[in-house]
Amino acid sequence: AQTVTQSQPEMSVQEAETVTLSCTYDTSESNYYLFWYKQPPSRQMILVIRQEAYKQQNATENRFSVNFQKAAKSFSLKISDSQLGDTAMYFCAFMKYSGGGADGLTFGKGTHLIIQP
Amino acid sequence: DAGVIQSPRHEVTEMGQEVTLRCKPISGHNSLFWYRQTMMRGLELLIYFNNNVPIDDSGMPEDRFSAKMPNASFSTLKIQPSEPRDSAVYFCASTPPGQGNSPLHFGNGTRLTVT
Repeated sequence: AQTVTQSQPEMSVQEAETVTLSCTYDTSESNYYLFWYKQPPSRQMILVIRQEAYKQQNATENRFSVNFQKAAKSFSLKISDSQLGDTAMYFCAFMKYSGGGADGLTFGKGTHLIIQP
Repeated sequence: DAGVIQSPRHEVTEMGQEVTLRCKPISGHNSLFWYRQTMMRGLELLIYFNNNVPIDDSGMPEDRFSAKMPNASFSTLKIQPSEPRDSAVYFCASTPPGQGNSPLHFGNGTRLTVT
């Protein structure tokens, strides 16, 4: 079974600052995918970014980027030029490769990110 | 793309009553997932279906919980009888056919309160 650990229950930064959310995972799988989801107060789950484990290049999406360290089983999320709208719960998630179809996501407990004006 | 549609958005019921949560996945998606979110346990996978067939229901907490997917466009999660500890937000999510790297598309969830 896979486990995902987010060691920072809550973080707070000033608007326009850069913030990094940490995530580590444990798995015996060699092929898998990693995701970051954002959950604002509306409780909608929004995909932020994803990373295929076989790709060495770190994924980026505008102000969001990841630092994927496969050997260390680490998958941190960096948010640059943070904005008030970034305030939300952020969940790190793991999905093992399943050639026959989709498999479920295993989530971490989340980090509550607060962007201060 | 209407997204994953869940109903109701909120449900308040008394202990012992039957509760049915509904989900319509995105058209063309062939995998459907039910998650439960609580403060204590976070997001837990309850059950998921591929092509309307239940694949893994090991996350279903008790026999009081059951899920069905009679066709590709509809699924239900039923709790009978409900208990206060079932209070949570229940999410439905779907993904399209592929190699398993497609992200899950979530509905807006149903907040269940059992008194």
